[in-house]
Amino acid sequence: GAGVSQSPSNKVTEKGKDVELRCDPISGHTALYWYRQSLGQGLEFLIYFQGNSAPDKSGLPSDRFSAERTGGSVSTLTIQRTQQEDSAVYLCASSRDRSYEQYFGPGTRLTVT
Amino acid sequence: AQKVTQAQTEISVVEKEDVTLDCVYETRDTTYYLFWYKQPPSGELVFLIRRNSFDEQNEISGRYSWNFQKSTSSFNFTITASQVVDSAVYFCALSVPPPGQLTFGSGTQLTVLP
Repeated sequence: GAGVSQSPSNKVTEKGKDVELRCDPISGHTALYWYRQSLGQGLEFLIYFQGNSAPDKSGLPSDRFSAERTGGSVSTLTIQRTQQEDSAVYLCASSRDRSYEQYFGPGTRLTVT
Repeated sequence: AQKVTQAQTEISVVEKEDVTLDCVYETRDTTYYLFWYKQPPSGELVFLIRRNSFDEQNEISGRYSWNFQKSTSSFNFTITASQVVDSAVYFCALSVPPPGQLTFGSGTQLTVLP
């Protein structure tokens, strides 16, 4: 079956602009996670969605970051007023439930110039 | 809070050698899950294995084997008869539901030379 897909694969933006990153999870997976991977910080958790419950935003680094998940499926991560330190690979993962293995998408490489 | 330590930053071996990647974790929870992921040069994280805290049985899958020891809080990964295609960054991770987000180690870069 189809895996997790993310778009765009690469995004270059100017400092101060807003960006939207998209994630399509595996069909039927109720849990969806966003992580980011950068050289200095490794792999960091950002936000988690489980079904129709309120998201766990405990990993978001600042209020410039937000995410939503529509209809329990597609998710969008929005970064407002991007800064150079936001440059990283943003990874989306989904799982059958929160206790199960997570399957990752190919990521979106964000470069803020 | 949870923590995962992968002390080996880089390992280089010659093809057909066995190699063990170390992983030590910290958590106060009694129910938790441990994972290994592979990240080849292409960049996509590939799931390898998941174990829960109540199952200390070692597992073997082909050339891969995992040794889970709660007494030492370790979950080590051994590749037998390594191959060039095994070259990748390997991450150990821990999750404690709810909510179940992964806490990753810093990764071990494995290079298998022909």
